[in-house]
Amino acid sequence: EPEVTQTPSHQVTQMGQEVILRCVPISNHLYFYWYRQILGQKVEFLVSFYNNEISEKSEIFDDQFSVERPDGSNFTLKIRSTKLEDSAMYFCASSDGLGGLDTQYFGPGTRLTVL
Amino acid sequence: GQNIDQPTEMTATEGAIVQINCTYQTSGFNGLFWYQQHAGEAPTFLSYNVLDGLEEKGRFSSFLSRSKGYSYLLLKELQMKDSASYLCAVRDRGATNKLIFGTGTLLAVQP
Repeated sequence: EPEVTQTPSHQVTQMGQEVILRCVPISNHLYFYWYRQILGQKVEFLVSFYNNEISEKSEIFDDQFSVERPDGSNFTLKIRSTKLEDSAMYFCASSDGLGGLDTQYFGPGTRLTVL
Repeated sequence: GQNIDQPTEMTATEGAIVQINCTYQTSGFNGLFWYQQHAGEAPTFLSYNVLDGLEEKGRFSSFLSRSKGYSYLLLKELQMKDSASYLCAVRDRGATNKLIFGTGTLLAVQP
């Protein structure tokens, strides 16, 4: 069964450093998302991406964040200068955008720890 | 504003039935999803409702009342492996279809 994959599974970085989190969405999916979950809190929407551009972003997704689909398979989230409060689990999700169900399938996540 | 409420924790016994409630007040609505999340893992899709009524899927059923802003997830014949968080999520109306999640209900299944 096709699945969303993410690398790395864990990332530890120093405050102020740049990190790039990588995702490979399901191959025939058209819509891509990043969500984050701070430990013990709810899953929060960060950004959605369709047709090679951002379709919506949340208040969390400020100028320090960017997304890119550099080729036909990868979808990346970059945090330019990490802060302590960026420590969270980051989930990539994708959906086919077809029909009413349009279920979002989540990857296993990248646990980001900012020291 | 966006508000999705679920009980924080529930406990149930193996073999029993449990109902997890979710109430929502959101600016847009285009369906309600239930996901299961084991600790440290990704949410996995369980069930979806866009029209009022009951959707059954094996041991899991989900109910929706749009006029009341209410949904529940029913788990039957509970197994120990059902111990997890259950997330209620409303899909926003619009081009992005983003999901707005509740805080989740941590279910502990006891022998």
